[in-house]
Amino acid sequence: GQQLNQSPQSMFIQEGEDVSMNCTSSSIFNTWLWYKQEPGEGPVLLIALYKAGELTSNGRLTAQFGITRKDSFLNISASIPSDVGIYFCAGMIKAAGNKLTFGGGTRVLVKP
Amino acid sequence: ETGVTQSPTHLIKTRGQQVTLRCSSQSGHNTVSWYQQALGQGPQFIFQYYREEENGRGNFPPRFSGLQFPNYSSELNVNALELDDSALYLCASSLAGPGSNQPQHFGDGTRLSIL
Repeated sequence: GQQLNQSPQSMFIQEGEDVSMNCTSSSIFNTWLWYKQEPGEGPVLLIALYKAGELTSNGRLTAQFGITRKDSFLNISASIPSDVGIYFCAGMIKAAGNKLTFGGGTRVLVKP
Repeated sequence: ETGVTQSPTHLIKTRGQQVTLRCSSQSGHNTVSWYQQALGQGPQFIFQYYREEENGRGNFPPRFSGLQFPNYSSELNVNALELDDSALYLCASSLAGPGSNQPQHFGDGTRLSIL
């Protein structure tokens, strides 16, 4: 079946620094979505990408839909403590309805 | 605030029992999907409902079943509960039907623990 591989699995951030995470797949997706999940809550949509090559920003977040349609990355600029959480990429194939296939997540933690 | 509400927030059951989880979709959203999220993993697609009919199913056995009602609320039913069913169950709603690429918006889930 389809699988999305996210890397890194976890990372530590220091306030003010830029961080990047990515997601790769062996399958092509029509839509890529990035969600953030905090403890005790459901995933919250951050960015949706609909076209290969598309680059979209949402505040300090920037995400790109890879040209091959098999990958995407998410950048967070000027990290702040509230960026802590688990970030999930999710792919959608139009022919399969709008069922989401999720990656395993990148856990973002604050450096002690 | 996604407008998707789930109940209950937490539930404890024992093996062999049956459970019903509930979801109220965002107003106007006619597609609802259910996901199972095991600890430390990403959500896994269970099934999707559109206009009160199942429209797509993931790799889950028939003891996982669902309903969608005319007011867009929905239920997930699980029979003969097993220990591995312990997970966070998430409901997500979206606008427009299958084949659209409208993003899904999630509720905060029901944490189900099986003893």
